Amino acid sequence: QTVVTQEPSLTVSPGGTVTLTCASSTGAVTSGYYPIWFQQKPGHAPRALIYSTNNKHSWTPARFSGSLLGGKAALTLSTVQPEDEAEYYCLLFYGDAWVFGGGTKLTVL
Amino acid sequence: VQLVQSGAEVKKPGASVKVSCKASGYTFTAHYIHWVRQAPGQGLEWMGRINPNSGATDYAQKFQGSVTMTRDTSISTAYMELSRLKYDDTAVYYCARQNFGYDFDPWGQGTLVTVSS
Repeated sequence: QTVVTQEPSLTVSPGGTVTLTCASSTGAVTSGYYPIWFQQKPGHAPRALIYSTNNKHSWTPARFSGSLLGGKAALTLSTVQPEDEAEYYCLLFYGDAWVFGGGTKLTVL
Repeated sequence: VQLVQSGAEVKKPGASVKVSCKASGYTFTAHYIHWVRQAPGQGLEWMGRINPNSGATDYAQKFQGSVTMTRDTSISTAYMELSRLKYDDTAVYYCARQNFGYDFDPWGQGTLVTVSS
């Protein structure tokens, strides 16, 4: 069974920078896994911030960016704002199935 | 473009539940519909997808044999039926459209399914 692994929790200070990662049990994550990053706040449906590794939606703040880093998908938040405190999930494509990571709870403190 | 799901359900263990997802604002048959669930306080879990054009489905291994995804193109609606419900099937069930470019947007508002005796 394929497992996608994210950091369970991270803490960052306002104005700081933090990188969240997404690893696959099958090996290095490449662009062919079409990584998607979602933000979810309590009581709301998830919303995609980044798709296909590094593409942004019109609503994605410029401080969010996606990349591949050391065999993992990565989401970097620069100049973190208090409203960025949320749960972040990555999603990877495996041909005929998609698998979510376990999520990263980001605390801005 | 929006997806509107059916309302909350309460079911007994062993029963089945069928959740609907009505699409509007786009050509229903042009985009996959995915189903994702989230148990209370837990993460997101991909259940499967349906091609509304052909009706072809792919299910996560965990749900093979217990989930059935269908669609009615005449009313632009996708359905997810989960059978043999257990207590740990209690969750919010979401539908989401897959866009061109491997993106999931928009999402439905979610449907809470509670399994309780």
